[in-house]
Amino acid sequence: KQEVTQIPAALSVPEGENLVLNCSFTDSAIYNLQWFRQDPGKGLTSLLLIQSSQREQTSGRLNASLDKSSGRSTLYIAASQPGDSATYLCAVSIYNQGGKLIFGQGTELSVKP
Amino acid sequence: GAVVSQHPSWVICKSGTSVKIECRSLDFQATTMFWYRQFPKQSLMLMATSNEGSKATYEQGVEKDKFLINHASLTLSTLTVTSAHPEDSSFYICSARDGAGINTIYFGEGSWLTVV
Repeated sequence: KQEVTQIPAALSVPEGENLVLNCSFTDSAIYNLQWFRQDPGKGLTSLLLIQSSQREQTSGRLNASLDKSSGRSTLYIAASQPGDSATYLCAVSIYNQGGKLIFGQGTELSVKP
Repeated sequence: GAVVSQHPSWVICKSGTSVKIECRSLDFQATTMFWYRQFPKQSLMLMATSNEGSKATYEQGVEKDKFLINHASLTLSTLTVTSAHPEDSSFYICSARDGAGINTIYFGEGSWLTVV
């Protein structure tokens, strides 16, 4: 059974700091991995999607890497801003499962001005 | 870009009543939709996979008679929480798969259910 774990559960950093969020999964047979942002009481915003054949994806200050063989992904946020404060979720899509996602517990990020 | 709309955004109902939540794909046809539940401070847990024109596939531990899912058209899936109880209070969120192109998944904004 696929399990997704995110570390740390919560993180507080001062504005301007670079930070890394970690995601690990137990079964390397994934179709893709996505990072999402969730603001309190809101739905999900997709940040980056990495196909299983890719190693990384970048969007602005965000960079996500994927090491499928070791079951790990990282989300790197450069020059953090207070507006980055949110919960960050990673999720994997499993082969032959029609696209359903298995989510990690999330990392709650707080960026202090 | 593609949009998935959920309605209502929030609802309060009395214990024992039933509540229906709609999930619509606004500019694409969704052959498959997914329903998730999220309790406070927890992650999203998949409840069921909804396929247009056929019965939903429920995850282990999810009561299919309590959480009725209907996917009558390519743009609409509904989740009905029957005989709701306070422990059903949660954030329900749907996603829809765009069957065209690269099968991108789009999420709705979620629906807050509070059962009193």
